[in-house]
Amino acid sequence: SQTIHQWPATLVQPVGSPLSLECTVEGTSNPNLYWYRQAAGRGLQLLFYSVGIGQISSEVPQNLSASRPQDRQFILSSKKLLLSDSGFYLCAWSVDTYGYTFGSGTRLTVV
Amino acid sequence: DAKTTQPPSMDCAEGRAANLPCNHSTISGNEYVYWYRQIHSQGPQYIIHGLKNNETNEMASLIITEDRKSSTLILPHATLRDTAVYYCIVRVGPGGSYIPTFGRGTSLIVHP
Repeated sequence: SQTIHQWPATLVQPVGSPLSLECTVEGTSNPNLYWYRQAAGRGLQLLFYSVGIGQISSEVPQNLSASRPQDRQFILSSKKLLLSDSGFYLCAWSVDTYGYTFGSGTRLTVV
Repeated sequence: DAKTTQPPSMDCAEGRAANLPCNHSTISGNEYVYWYRQIHSQGPQYIIHGLKNNETNEMASLIITEDRKSSTLILPHATLRDTAVYYCIVRVGPGGSYIPTFGRGTSLIVHP
């Protein structure tokens, strides 16, 4: 069966520190992968998506970057966090016409 | 890209049917309608999807109008645990890279 793992569940980081959030998928090949962010009380904002290894598309210019070093691994990074980077980060995957499966999310608080 | 419009909030009495509407007037012929829900501090959960025919599963029913410009998610017997934000989305994106675009969804509150 297909599963998606996202960690950590919660993270508190100081302003100016680096960030690395990891997402891995099991049980499928060549999935489309996505990173979303949700600010408090807001909808889901698409940050990045990837259709293959090394292929990253950015939807919103920001202080973040994404990488896909392996087929089923998607990483969200930042060199220097800002207060505005706080939020709930979600990884998701999809294959063709099937629905999207989301991870459990990481709640990031930048202090 | 087709976009969706949903009411920001609704409420429903426990045990009654909850009918959540969604407008997607610019949907293309090959685009599916998907519904998800998000309980506080969790990732969105898939509920149901459809192309043109009405669909039903163990969680809900999806009614799509004949012109496909709108749909309704029906929770036949709402419970307190159905309190969540419900998102209606359509598949968008060129070249096979399907990019789900989520609006703010509908916050459904089920009350006793």
